[in-house]
Amino acid sequence: EVQLVESGGGLIQPGGSLRLSCAASGFSVSSSYMSWVRQAPGKGLEWVSIMYSDGSTYYANSVKARFTISRDNSKNTLHLQMNSLRAEDTALYYCATSQEGPYFFDYWGQGTLVTVSS
Amino acid sequence: DIQMTQSPSSVSASVGDRVTIACRASQDIDNWLAWYQQKSGKAPKLLIYAASRLEGGAPSRFSGSGSGTDFTLTITSLQPEDFATYYCQQASSFPRTFGQGTKVEIK
Repeated sequence: EVQLVESGGGLIQPGGSLRLSCAASGFSVSSSYMSWVRQAPGKGLEWVSIMYSDGSTYYANSVKARFTISRDNSKNTLHLQMNSLRAEDTALYYCATSQEGPYFFDYWGQGTLVTVSS
Repeated sequence: DIQMTQSPSSVSASVGDRVTIACRASQDIDNWLAWYQQKSGKAPKLLIYAASRLEGGAPSRFSGSGSGTDFTLTITSLQPEDFATYYCQQASSFPRTFGQGTKVEIK
């Protein structure tokens, strides 16, 4: 059974850094397409970043040069390093996987909440 | 970036009703479109992919149609568990983008 469990969220001051993790089970993150999608409180969904099985990465313009997606194959875990955080980064961050190509998100975690505030 | 526009933003319907939600892309995305259902406090769930393919486990009362720039999600005979917010998402190019959502409410 595919399962995704996010962690690492919390309250952080503007300009600070945070690293999110997504522990996967039931499949291998190294052979899948893994994404982060966020949802600001009461708002819609916003795609953040994706890592391909070959290691290629793509980012939303709003986070480019501030966020870095990576994975630890030995721990079957996806990460999102978030630097220079802003108030507008406040959101529930979901980890999602696309099992058959980097297109649609067929499994999602329950999310981890990031609050950027002084 | 490709902009996705859903209509309506909300719809009130009764159990048993047929509900149709539209999604328009700002440029041609062929059939690179998905629909998700999100219930309050829960993660989104994939319903339809490639515009019209039903995800495994999704009820057959959900169907998708369209190609190019105009797409539709139809729920035939709305059930109590279908009251939720629905999002479309394009997968034609990066950045991946979602519609703003359509909330299906109880009438």
